[in-house]
Amino acid sequence: DTGVSQDPRHKITKRGQNVTFRCDPISEHNRLYWYRQTLGQGPEFLTYFQNEAQLEKSRLLSDRFSAERPKGSFSTLEIQRTEQGDSAMYLCASLGSGETQYFGPGTRLLVL
Amino acid sequence: AQTVTQSQPEMSVQEAETVTLSCTYDTSESNYYLFWYKQPPSRQMILVIRQEAYKQQNATENRFSVNFQKAAKSFSLKISDSQLGDTAMYFCAFMNSNSGYALNFGKGTSLLVTP
Repeated sequence: DTGVSQDPRHKITKRGQNVTFRCDPISEHNRLYWYRQTLGQGPEFLTYFQNEAQLEKSRLLSDRFSAERPKGSFSTLEIQRTEQGDSAMYLCASLGSGETQYFGPGTRLLVL
Repeated sequence: AQTVTQSQPEMSVQEAETVTLSCTYDTSESNYYLFWYKQPPSRQMILVIRQEAYKQQNATENRFSVNFQKAAKSFSLKISDSQLGDTAMYFCAFMNSNSGYALNFGKGTSLLVTP
């Protein structure tokens, strides 16, 4: 069990650029979740996958956001035409036994 | 929609003392899970303790215990014998099957343990 990993850990980009984040869940976990956390707030749910199927998307996930989980393994979260308001920590988690979610270290995004 | 409220933005406790963090939630569901997660400064979110709503017995994990009052929709976390390493943000979270087991977090309580 190597835990949930995320890459990159930090990303600085200019407004209008596209960015992509990757999450590798714990290998035997079928469900994968993405959250966004802004400074001083709790994480907010964005979307989740059951294997390769994206089953739910939050209203926070605007049209500029897209997530995929090809083959039900790793997942990517892409933000197109980034805005300063996208600056946040993006967290990934996978669901294990006892309905417990295990979190990765997060990707901190700063949009200049 | 379920809401989770943590009414204490910041708390402080001396080393070796006991502290209780409050959490209330609102739901019409009867089956759900409640969690406390810890997020140390610049480090990742880790599970502290979990409680299944159908279980009347309060969960305990070493120095951490909860007071789960289902009728009052209250889920407080007690940390005994506080240690410097307990300094962190603590988030209360709600989960049930209706939301695909996605977590609904409170805003967090920043806990500082002082020597």
